[in-house]
Amino acid sequence: KAGVTQTPRYLIKTRGQQVTLSCSPISGHRSVSWYQQTPGQGLQFLFEYFSETQRNKGNFPGRFSGRQFSNSRSEMNVSTLELGDSALYLCASSFTGGRNYGYTFGSGTRLTVV
Amino acid sequence: GESVGLHLPTLSVQEGDNSIINCAYSNSASDYFIWYKQESGKGPQFIIDIRSNMDKRQGQRVTVLLNKTVKHLSLQIAATQPGDSAVYFCAVNYGGSQGNLIFGKGTKLSVKP
Repeated sequence: KAGVTQTPRYLIKTRGQQVTLSCSPISGHRSVSWYQQTPGQGLQFLFEYFSETQRNKGNFPGRFSGRQFSNSRSEMNVSTLELGDSALYLCASSFTGGRNYGYTFGSGTRLTVV
Repeated sequence: GESVGLHLPTLSVQEGDNSIINCAYSNSASDYFIWYKQESGKGPQFIIDIRSNMDKRQGQRVTVLLNKTVKHLSLQIAATQPGDSAVYFCAVNYGGSQGNLIFGKGTKLSVKP
């Protein structure tokens, strides 16, 4: 079966712009989590969506937001981009994200802010 | 909260030797632990997991050991191969935080032929 698909793979944006990243989970998975990966901070949790509702949120500023659609696809948006937002953004899907785990990651979107 | 610590940022082993990668966590309520492998340009790939009601779990060439007393987790790779070269992360989840994995900083494993 198809894995977790993230688009686009690479993105270059200018400071101050906004960006939208997309994640299509594995078919049947209803939980989608987003992570930011940087060399300095490692993998950090952004937020998790389940059945179109944000269920959990990490310690990121309000410029980072997300949503989930009825088909479980998810998008995350970063507004007013800063240089420090340059990172690999990963999404992971799971059947429930709760006690029945099994998170599968996509290959990520590499965002470069210049 | 939860934090996950790293014992060694890099590890170099000879092909055919066994590798041991260690991880420590802080929250005694943590109940689910996962090891991921990340190769360059790819997302983390699931290797093996273990729940807090177990202290050992084996997969193909990999074993995860969990010591809840000292809040320590290890991944053992038997007969390490060049294809095992990657960054290995432990990830921890605890009951109060659905969908939220706390990751360690990762250990970069290099396998010398």
